Amino acid sequence: SQELEQSPQSLIVQEGKNLTINCTSSKTLYGLYWYKQKYGEGLIFLMMLQKGGEEKSHEKITAKLDEKKQQSSLHITASQPSHAGIYLCGADKMGGATNKLIFGTGTLLAVQP
Amino acid sequence: DGGITQSPKYLFRKEGQNVTLSCEQNLNHDAMYWYRQDPGQGLRLIYYSQIVNDFQKGDIAEGYSVSREKKESFPLTVTSAQKNPTAFYLCASSRGVGGNTIYFGEGSWLTVV
Repeated sequence: SQELEQSPQSLIVQEGKNLTINCTSSKTLYGLYWYKQKYGEGLIFLMMLQKGGEEKSHEKITAKLDEKKQQSSLHITASQPSHAGIYLCGADKMGGATNKLIFGTGTLLAVQP
Repeated sequence: DGGITQSPKYLFRKEGQNVTLSCEQNLNHDAMYWYRQDPGQGLRLIYYSQIVNDFQKGDIAEGYSVSREKKESFPLTVTSAQKNPTAFYLCASSRGVGGNTIYFGEGSWLTVV
């Protein structure tokens, strides 16, 4: 069965620093989602990538899906305390046709002022 | 405002009792989902529904039941057969399947004592 590996599991950065979170799969990723979560709260949709080589940006967050569609990265530029939280990647487990997502275990990000 | 409303936010129940978690959406979405989140395990799909009066089991459906009598509502019942029901439950919805963005509610904490 397909699994999503996220790295690192946790990350502490100084405010203003850049950082990258990775999401890797042993199988082709169809419909790769990035979400942000505050502990004990719902998931906030960040971006969805579908095509190999696709890259999307929103404010200071950029997500990429590699050409082979087996790895995605989330890059935050000039991090701020508001970026702190848990970042989750999710992917459609049935080839993009069902929206039945599997998720990585998340990356906990702390930003020190 | 449009969105997904889950209630209650916090729920305590005695072991052996059934409990129903509410999920309502006013986004006019056809598909709705229930996920369970446990520490260190990410999110796991319990049930999903692609259309009114139809629903399918997810990866961990045992001990749970759902209904989809109205487009906007997808309640989840945690039965006494669920061996480890204490968890954070997340409801989600999407316009359809196959690449449509999935949006999540704020979640419900269920504690069984």
